[in-house]
Order: sequence, then C-alpha cells, then structure tokens
Amino acid sequence: DAGITQSPRHKVTETGTPVTLRCHQTENHRYMYWYRQDPGHGLRLIHYSYGVKDTDKGEVSDGYSVSRSKTEDFLLTLESATSSQTSVYFCAIAGAGGGYNSPLHFGNGTRLTVT
Amino acid sequence: AQKVTQAQTEISVVEKEDVTLDCVYETRDTTYYLFWYKQPPSGELVFLIRRNSFDEQNEISGRYSWNFQKSTSSFNFTITASQVVDSAVYFCALSLNAGNNRKLIWGLGTSLAVNP
Repeated sequence: DAGITQSPRHKVTETGTPVTLRCHQTENHRYMYWYRQDPGHGLRLIHYSYGVKDTDKGEVSDGYSVSRSKTEDFLLTLESATSSQTSVYFCAIAGAGGGYNSPLHFGNGTRLTVT
Repeated sequence: AQKVTQAQTEISVVEKEDVTLDCVYETRDTTYYLFWYKQPPSGELVFLIRRNSFDEQNEISGRYSWNFQKSTSSFNFTITASQVVDSAVYFCALSLNAGNNRKLIWGLGTSLAVNP
C-alpha cells in the first residue's frame, strides 16, 4: 500500500473557523492532490502540487488554499469554513513517474463536518 | 467534450451471479488512460486497473475482467461469481495529458450490492 496518511480522520468545526487538513506521504512522489467527494458530484479536484512550493488550482478551489513546504507534506486549509465545505476529503499521490499514465493512490480520507 | 458516464447508479445481485459494470467515455485525444477504482463501505479508494488507449487486450485478474473497446468508447468491468466482499462503489476514470499535470475525469460511480 502507498504510504499516505491523512489527519485528522474526522473533524467537526463551526462555520467561520479555519481548518487545516494534513496529508503525509512516505513515497517521495512529486505529485500530490486534494479531492473532495460529495454525493451526486463524485470526486472533484480542489488543488494539486507538482513539487515543493509548486501548487495549482483544481476545479473547486474557491475557499481553499494549500501549501507544500516539504515533499512529504501537503496541507489543505479552509480559511473560513462554510457548511458547503462539509464533505469527505481525500489526498492522493501519483504513482512513480507521476505522469498521466500513473494511477492515483489515495489516503483514507477525512470526514469534515461544518456546523 | 470529455466525459465519463457510468449509467448504472446502483446494481443489486445475489452472490455468485456475474455482474458487469459499464463505463463509457468521451474524448478526442488519441492517447489516454482509463482506470477503475473500488470504494468499499469502509471508504478508502483502491486502484484496480489501468488501461492505455493503444492496448485493447482484455484483462483478467481472478474473478475480475475488463473489456476495453475503443470502437464503442467503453471500458467495462465484469465480476464473475460475485461475492459479498465485492459490495462497493466502483469508479471509472479517464486520464488525459494536460501539460504539467493530468486531467482526470471521473464517472459518478456504480454502487454494487452483492447480497448473500
């Protein structure tokens, strides 16, 4: 199994508070991704990173920011959480090589509830 | 348009039945990759198989088999002699080259329930 750890696994927070989710990998892979999964919408890309300090937006990036100061860590921050950000968040890394032919390997997910 | 359609939202079968999960994709790219993932009730997403656009050989892995037909833009997944442990949501995804990254287009998934 790919060494990907997400923390926390579950979080309940109040509207308006900042929240940071962490993804840690032990594979030394270049590409990392944050997705959210919602019923009826499937998996949607929030942000991705293609190296240390190199990040870019996905299709649903509004309200989210990311940082990658080390190869192994990719942080997702909700600056001011809203109820629409209640979701399951998945971190993923691209397999060796990282090209579009590489499968993604996912962490176990973080279930975030914004009340 | 670039799209992945999994028309079957939910399927319910009895154990030992064979079941086929459909995946139809759209793209004008000539080179692309297709993937299947499994999401069991525990929630993790597990990679099952990758297929590139130039390889139309069918793939078999135990009770699982995949049929890729470029002519119909389909990449269907068959489970033979289904088991309760096969109960999961299955996702099909299309991966396209997008310069510095990939464009990964996901289907909405098919929820498979295998009943004893």
